[in-house]
Amino acid sequence: KAGVTQTPRYLIKTRGQQVTLSCSPISGHRSVSWYQQTPGQGLQFLFEYFSETQRNKGNFPGRFSGRQFSNSRSEMNVSTLELGDSALYLCASSLEVQSSYNSPLHFGNGTRLTVT
Amino acid sequence: TQLLEQSPQFLSIQEGENLTVYCNSSSVFSSLQWYRQEPGEGPVLLVTVVTGGEVKKLKRLTFQFGDARKDSSLHITAAQPGDTGLYLCAGLNKADKLIFGTGTRLQVFP
Repeated sequence: KAGVTQTPRYLIKTRGQQVTLSCSPISGHRSVSWYQQTPGQGLQFLFEYFSETQRNKGNFPGRFSGRQFSNSRSEMNVSTLELGDSALYLCASSLEVQSSYNSPLHFGNGTRLTVT
Repeated sequence: TQLLEQSPQFLSIQEGENLTVYCNSSSVFSSLQWYRQEPGEGPVLLVTVVTGGEVKKLKRLTFQFGDARKDSSLHITAAQPGDTGLYLCAGLNKADKLIFGTGTRLQVFP
């Protein structure tokens, strides 16, 4: 069974640009969550999508958005990039929603975004 | 903002030693998970604890959830170089958000 796939693996963008990251969940998983990981702030929750609907979101500005398609694949978009957006962006999928403790999260290996 | 503080932040030990990592919060969580993350990879779930006071063992790893469901600990017996990595606790809060801890970076030398 293929794991969670995130593309691209690395990305370098300039301040002010926008970027789209992609996540393909494990087959059959309906929930996709996105996290930002930085050395200073650790892993911070961005949002969770379930059956194409945003179910929950973290405390990030509106420049961060996402969506989920009917095949459960998800994309995350960051507009007007800032230097502080440089981070590892992780996607995780699960069979059911995050609050189902018997539906563990499976993480991808992330997209490393560098903003210059 | 809910915080999950982990201690210690860094741990460097010799193979064969025992260690304990702590995960503390002032908030109550409905469940708590522990992950290990290796360089260049995403976190991998080790265990989920749900009941206050619950203890789970995974080979040389012992996980405990505090009675009040505000804290947790991870104890590793006879650490091995393969245990090296970033250990993260994560609690599910009342808003159904998974909040991650600050992380403990463990290095086990042969």
